[in-house]
Amino acid sequence: DVKVTQSSRYLVKRTGEKVFLECVQDMDHENMFWYRQDPGLGLRLIYFSYDVKMKEKGDIPEGYSVSREKKERFSLILESASTNQTSMYLCASSLSSGGSNEKLFFGSGTQLSVL
Amino acid sequence: GNSVTQMEGPVTLSEEAFLTINCTYTATGYPSLFWYVQYPGEGLQLLLKATKADDKGSNKGFEATYRKETTSFHLEKGSVQVSDSAVYFCALSDRSGYSTLTFGKGTMLLVSP
Repeated sequence: DVKVTQSSRYLVKRTGEKVFLECVQDMDHENMFWYRQDPGLGLRLIYFSYDVKMKEKGDIPEGYSVSREKKERFSLILESASTNQTSMYLCASSLSSGGSNEKLFFGSGTQLSVL
Repeated sequence: GNSVTQMEGPVTLSEEAFLTINCTYTATGYPSLFWYVQYPGEGLQLLLKATKADDKGSNKGFEATYRKETTSFHLEKGSVQVSDSAVYFCALSDRSGYSTLTFGKGTMLLVSP
């Protein structure tokens, strides 16, 4: 089975800190995604990447950036964390775009608290 | 733009009851439709999907039929179990561009013995 691993399950940071959330997948998937999950809002797409060094903005990219230097690794960066970025962050991957390959494999999530 | 609307939860049922979770969507073209499930403390996992009108997706006793005329993809199960307690997300993929998924807000299901 595909495994998507997020480096931390819980993270507590202070306002203004630079925060890195790491995600690794082990099945050579082309696409990787970062979502945030908030009560009453569901999942919202922050950024995604369809290839190494490529990135595309999702629905809520403000305050975030990403890095994909290697195919298996996709990092989410909060340049200056703010309290409204307290959330559950979910990483996902999929084999390729289009056709029937929209099955996403999710990590277990990182619960980030910004104080 | 694309959107997915799900019934609000929580849905509270007794074991062996019938389950329906409503989902309607707005999209251009002919999207693929999905139900994902999130068990406590875990990430989401695909439950079932349908890629064209009148298709029925099924898995683990759950079913959903792609209804183009009503733009709906309601999730059903004939007899729920305590282990089905989870949050259920309806989603669509518009097949254009990079096929990113648009998710509904999720519906929590609580099943009591």
